[in-house]
Amino acid sequence: GAVVSQHPSWVICKSGTSVKIECRSLDFQATTMFWYRQFPKQSLMLMATSNEGSKATYEQGVEKDKFLINHASLTLSTLTVTSAHPEDSSFYICSAKTGSRYSYEQYFGPGTRLTVT
Amino acid sequence: GENVEQHPSTLSVQEGDSAVIKCTYSDSASNYFPWYKQELGKGPQLIIDIRSNVGEKKDQRIAVTLNKTAKHFSLHITETQPEDSAVYFCAASPGFGNEKLTFGTGTRLTIIP
Repeated sequence: GAVVSQHPSWVICKSGTSVKIECRSLDFQATTMFWYRQFPKQSLMLMATSNEGSKATYEQGVEKDKFLINHASLTLSTLTVTSAHPEDSSFYICSAKTGSRYSYEQYFGPGTRLTVT
Repeated sequence: GENVEQHPSTLSVQEGDSAVIKCTYSDSASNYFPWYKQELGKGPQLIIDIRSNVGEKKDQRIAVTLNKTAKHFSLHITETQPEDSAVYFCAASPGFGNEKLTFGTGTRLTIIP
């Protein structure tokens, strides 16, 4: 149980183009999903928190117009990197949790490696 | 905001021996402390967690201890095996109502056969 998938697992795009990453909770309803970015040999940095049907809450320093997050259903959240540049190359990871007030666990997806050329 | 420090950054242990990774946190409002294992090119996997109303939790070869007064918590892995080699992250969050996780900097654990 508690499986989170991401698609694609890796993507290469040209500078200036946009790329969409999907995050799905496969066997539970995720009222809250989180998006992280991880640079090589570094820790995970939270980018934004999204609740189903609401606008995402972005962390300080994360450009909301560049990283568009949509959480349209209880099983799907998407991250769109708009006008991507080489510095956006990173490992993007989502996590999801249920809405239970007794459950704090976050379940992570396998990550998406984005390379911008 | 919360700040989580993790030590050591690298740890090499002989197979069969124990490994201990320590974390300290700054925000006394934190109540939830998970540990994640991340293998190369993969997402983090929750291996054990503890809440502030518990001092210790064990799951087979893995245990976590929490000292809320001192604001530190530790991961203990006994009888280490080669498949334990990975990067381990600690994290902290206030829990319900504010579930944002703040991660430590990670520990690269290498088990020497």
